[in-house]
Amino acid sequence: SQTIHQWPATLVQPVGSPLSLECTVEGTSNPNLYWYRQAAGRGLQLLFYSVGIGQISSEVPQNLSASRPQDRQFILSSKKLLLSDSGFYLCAFTRYNEQFFGPGTRLTVL
Amino acid sequence: AQSVAQPEDQVNVAEGNPLTVKCTYSVSGNPYLFWYVQYPNRGLQFLLKYITGDNLVKGSYGFEAEFNKSQTSFHLKKPSALVSDSALYFCAVRLPYGNNRLAFGKGNQVVVIP
Repeated sequence: SQTIHQWPATLVQPVGSPLSLECTVEGTSNPNLYWYRQAAGRGLQLLFYSVGIGQISSEVPQNLSASRPQDRQFILSSKKLLLSDSGFYLCAFTRYNEQFFGPGTRLTVL
Repeated sequence: AQSVAQPEDQVNVAEGNPLTVKCTYSVSGNPYLFWYVQYPNRGLQFLLKYITGDNLVKGSYGFEAEFNKSQTSFHLKKPSALVSDSALYFCAVRLPYGNNRLAFGKGNQVVVIP
């Protein structure tokens, strides 16, 4: 069966520090992968998606970037965090027209 | 533009009463529609989907949803709510030509009162 992992689960970072969030998927090959941000416990905003290694599409201009160095690995990064980057970050993959979500990373920027 | 609307911020219902969470959509072509549930500090869990076929879709945990093309709606329902159904519910539509990208509604907080 397919599973999706995210780490860390929680993260507190100062403004201006770098960020690296990791997402890995098991039990499937060549998945479509997605990064979402959820602010203040509500609505999801799609940040990036990837249909293959090295292929990244950005949905909104922002302070973040994404990379897919391996087939089942998706990384969300920033060189310098802003206060507005705080939120709950969710990774997802697609199977049979359904998206399956990871457990999320709670990021607090102080 | 492709989108979904969840008009209510919060739905309060007494335990044992029917639960309805509303969703309307705007999309070109045939819609692929989804419902997800989120418990505090957790990822989203898939409940059900409509792709084609029977307008009444049955999903997990006793939930169902009815696709209504004329009203462009996909309301989530449960005949008898449980306290454990208290959570955040999201409606979503698949974007066309979009590599299975989804557009989510803002979410509805459901509170089931014992």
